[in-house]
Amino acid sequence: AQSVAQPEDQVNVAEGNPLTVKCTYSVSGNPYLFWYVQYPNRGLQFLLKYITGDNLVKGSYGFEAEFNKSQTSFHLKKPSALVSDSALYFCAAANSGYSSASKIIFGSGTRLSIRP
Amino acid sequence: DADVTQTPRNRITKTGKRIMLECSQTKGHDRMYWYRQDPGLGLRLIYYSFDVKDINKGEISDGYSVSRQAQAKFSLSLESAIPNQTALYFCATSDERQGHYEQYFGPGTRLTVT
Repeated sequence: AQSVAQPEDQVNVAEGNPLTVKCTYSVSGNPYLFWYVQYPNRGLQFLLKYITGDNLVKGSYGFEAEFNKSQTSFHLKKPSALVSDSALYFCAAANSGYSSASKIIFGSGTRLSIRP
Repeated sequence: DADVTQTPRNRITKTGKRIMLECSQTKGHDRMYWYRQDPGLGLRLIYYSFDVKDINKGEISDGYSVSRQAQAKFSLSLESAIPNQTALYFCATSDERQGHYEQYFGPGTRLTVT
């Protein structure tokens, strides 16, 4: 069965420090991978995706993520955290087949808290 | 995302009542989805639709039904609401032409079943 794991329910980082939010996946075939962010009382917002090509992908708000096929991971990173980055982050994965790509599996979410 | 709207934003209903949640999009996307979000469980897919004539069950479709009235409208119904359907419900859209697989979400409907 396909799955996405976010092993940390919460990550706490001081403002200005680098941050990492971890994600591992289990998807048959080639994966499509995504990160979304959710602010309070809002829907999920797309941050970045890996479909093919360069393993390091860059997205909105200075975030980036690295696809590691051997470790089946897609960790989200940012070199210097901002207080405004505090939110709930979801990793998601899908199989690259035409109909399967629509059936995205979401992780349980990681709450990122940036202290001033 | 203002291009995907959901009504109502909040709803409290009683056990056994029928309720409909509506979703509209102006993005011109062909694919639409309904998810529910529960604390600690992430998002789980209820139904998805590739176009008006193509509707598919997701992971947790029992107790729910949907209608795709037009390319831009996708409604979710709870025929007889029960308390464990209390959750945050999201509609989403995607356009997979040209490799755009990411989904765009509405603001959500918070449903409470008493």
